[in-house]
Amino acid sequence: NAGVIQTPRHKVTGKGQEATLWCEPISGHSAVFWYRQTIVQGLEFLTYFRNQAPIDDSGMPKERFSAQMPNQSHSTLKIQSTQPQDSAVYLCASSFGQNTEVFFGKGTRLTVV
Amino acid sequence: GDSVIQMQGQVTLSENDFLFINCTYSTTGYPTLFWYVQYSGEGPQLLLQVTTANNKGSSRGFEATYDKGTTSFHLQKTSVQEIDSAVYYCAMNGSSGNKLIFGIGTLLSVKP
Repeated sequence: NAGVIQTPRHKVTGKGQEATLWCEPISGHSAVFWYRQTIVQGLEFLTYFRNQAPIDDSGMPKERFSAQMPNQSHSTLKIQSTQPQDSAVYLCASSFGQNTEVFFGKGTRLTVV
Repeated sequence: GDSVIQMQGQVTLSENDFLFINCTYSTTGYPTLFWYVQYSGEGPQLLLQVTTANNKGSSRGFEATYDKGTTSFHLQKTSVQEIDSAVYYCAMNGSSGNKLIFGIGTLLSVKP
């Protein structure tokens, strides 16, 4: 079990460019989460899928951010027209089901210059 | 809405010192409470889950307690070691179901 796999581990983009972050959840896990981590805000919930369906995207900024889960083996978080304030570590996590342990990946550190 | 407040942002201790971290929570639901630990370069990982008020959970020498009356929960360890240096997060899944709401995190530095 390789755990939750996130690629790339580090990404540098220029202001205004698009960034796509990838996540492969643990096989058999039905829930997938995205979080953003910064020094100031800590761990902020972004969005959540269950069985590939979007369940709760209440933490997603309304513009420029989108997430998809086209199949059970991967999810993507896309940020259009990146801004310096988008710089953060983006964490993906998965769990087997409701109220079961949530496993996190190592994160993707996004730097917008 | 649901919220978790974690008091201590940074704690510096010496080996064998006592550790105590406190969090309070607010929710309209029936929460499950957690402590996560994050080592440098890694994602957060579950340290303890506490589901019953006034009961303790324990793992790796850490203990967690939960007081429903004061809506608070605590993490403690009698004798910390240098390898315990990490960021500790309290978290809750409250009225909104499966998603975790985290406190701001406590950076623990243990000096040898």
